[in-house]
Amino acid sequence: ILNVEQSPQSLHVQEGDSTNFTCSFPSSNFYALHWYRWETAKSPEALFVMTLNGDEKKKGRISATLNTKEGYSYLYIKGSQPEDSATYLCAFTGANNLFFGTGTRLTVIP
Amino acid sequence: ETGVTQTPRHLVMGMTNKKSLKCEQHLGHNAMYWYKQSAKKPLELMFVYNFKEQTENNSVPSRFSPECPNSSHLFLHLHTLQPEDSALYLCASSLFGTSGTDTQYFGPGTRLTVL
Repeated sequence: ILNVEQSPQSLHVQEGDSTNFTCSFPSSNFYALHWYRWETAKSPEALFVMTLNGDEKKKGRISATLNTKEGYSYLYIKGSQPEDSATYLCAFTGANNLFFGTGTRLTVIP
Repeated sequence: ETGVTQTPRHLVMGMTNKKSLKCEQHLGHNAMYWYKQSAKKPLELMFVYNFKEQTENNSVPSRFSPECPNSSHLFLHLHTLQPEDSALYLCASSLFGTSGTDTQYFGPGTRLTVL
């Protein structure tokens, strides 16, 4: 079992604020890093898959960066909206299977 | 209907009951997965099926028995469960089960309570 850590565990921000959170993973045997968004009572939804050191991905107001040498990825949300409220999961894979972190629960206050 | 569906969404069962969870994917994928999420813990992989063959059993107790009759359907048969098996059980699918870059598509989960 590989240790994937996410911080903070939870976060409250005001609507319009920008925010970011961290995923730390083993830097050895890296293959890919996934980010998922999980709203309460819904299915986890894939945001990004990143494989290369220095990778940056963007989807609307959400972006992510990857540092495989030091074993971390940041997820950024610009101008948070109430509909961004969800748990954001990262998952590391060394080959086939995904190892998930416990997630960062984001609440955006209107 | 599209995506990954799971039934039932909620299940309450006694320790002596036998029940099954069902997962169906409409994405044309070849790999299917069962995950367990207990409170305050990360998603934990239980089983992987690739082209209907089980390729991963993550040391899951035998009271959980998976079945994959075809690439679109996955079942999890439950018998003589313990209260600590109460959790959210998620199904996922991906195009192939042998690539770490494959995106997994998840169902909404079955919330299981064992009394």
